[in-house]
Amino acid sequence: AQKITQTQPGMFVQEKEAVTLDCTYDTSDPSYGLFWYKQPSSGEMIFLIYQGSYDQQNATEGRYSLNFQKARKSANLVISASQLGDSAMYFCAMREGRGSSASKIIFGSGTRLSIRP
Amino acid sequence: DTAVSQTPKYLVTQMGNDKSIKCEQNLGHDTMYWYKQDSKKFLKIMFSYNNKELIINETVPNRFSPKSPDKAHLNLHINSLELGDSAVYFCASSQGWDENLRETQYFGPGTRLLVL
Repeated sequence: AQKITQTQPGMFVQEKEAVTLDCTYDTSDPSYGLFWYKQPSSGEMIFLIYQGSYDQQNATEGRYSLNFQKARKSANLVISASQLGDSAMYFCAMREGRGSSASKIIFGSGTRLSIRP
Repeated sequence: DTAVSQTPKYLVTQMGNDKSIKCEQNLGHDTMYWYKQDSKKFLKIMFSYNNKELIINETVPNRFSPKSPDKAHLNLHINSLELGDSAVYFCASSQGWDENLRETQYFGPGTRLLVL
């Protein structure tokens, strides 16, 4: 069974619009962490945002926010006021366990976001 | 300041050769990883080391041998390279949960390996 599901292989969004990238996860562990990464065409993996399962509030980092709905097991990334430089692959990932090095981080298949000028 | 660095950035080699990729992190993290990203962009963990000890080995062929001389370095040696080894290999490091129960994991720039 897929642990991390990103149902949107690709998205096109007009510049300056907000965009939501979907991510659902599957775990029975009460302790887990959720990550979002951006991979531009240059290839590097850029850490964007983290949400812990015990966090009471949604994580925010600048224009990025994570819409964390625990009961629905979803962790959607919201990018406000999109920019051309936001065009990239976006990966959702999860680590089960208490931030333990013994547990692995599992990645979704990614969403390719393209921003139209 | 480079947090996680990898060398080389590009590696083109013949089938059957042996090659190494080096990784260093200056973040003071205890845990380092190797990931493989295939041509379809799927990213999968290969190995994890914590304080120089192997923690995770994801059924990777034993032609792949990681080595961690200290907690700031994690190298990957690949013997008898095969065509299917062509991929981007990422090194990463993390510290697990901090006092605020937050975690960060940072990736190196990747090594693009092409086996001919």
